[in-house]
Amino acid sequence: SQQGEEDPQALSIQEGENATMNCSYKTSINNLQWYRQNSGRGLVHLILIRSNEREKHSGRLRVTLDTSKKSSSLLITASRAADTASYFCATDTGGGTNAGKSTFGDGTTLTVKP
Amino acid sequence: DTGVSQDPRHKITKRGQNVTFRCDPISEHNRLYWYRQTLGQGPEFLTYFQNEAQLEKSRLLSDRFSAERPKGSFSTLEIQRTEQGDSAMYLCASSLGSGTYEQYFGPGTRLTVT
Repeated sequence: SQQGEEDPQALSIQEGENATMNCSYKTSINNLQWYRQNSGRGLVHLILIRSNEREKHSGRLRVTLDTSKKSSSLLITASRAADTASYFCATDTGGGTNAGKSTFGDGTTLTVKP
Repeated sequence: DTGVSQDPRHKITKRGQNVTFRCDPISEHNRLYWYRQTLGQGPEFLTYFQNEAQLEKSRLLSDRFSAERPKGSFSTLEIQRTEQGDSAMYLCASSLGSGTYEQYFGPGTRLTVT
């Protein structure tokens, strides 16, 4: 089974609104990453947050991490139609040579209506 | 373009045939990963390499699957005696390693087994 689970599975909003996606995981992590996948294309790395960080920003993206609750959220502000994609969280739980191996959730499908 | 490339992009094969996919990572990246993704799900880890060494192979990977990374450059993933259940998108990713874990994904190879 997957380590991470995204919530909701699907989200539909109007352009300009904010979108929030959540990720819960089961075991302790070294870091958590968020990726975007446009329909039929490869994944694009968005942001990485380490286990000792609580919040990180990148442009219109804001990621939070609560290790006590084993959860993370991705906020996209002022959404655009081009943000329409699937968003995945990926957790890195390995140590030593296993560090860097990521386990992905099943994603949140975001639709931004113009 | 110096991103991750995969070849072929699409492969249709008959059940029982062998197929081989190739991945060329970003040149300075030490780590190379293979994932499998089916519709509506996140990528499932298959195996990964640090240079030419195969560090881990998922329990999902039966003996019909084998991967190599000779000389620590490109990698091949071979599936022998393909089954309809092997139909999926096969994704390759690479990362710098050495504490830098962001993965850069290729466009994937879509396999259809008829």
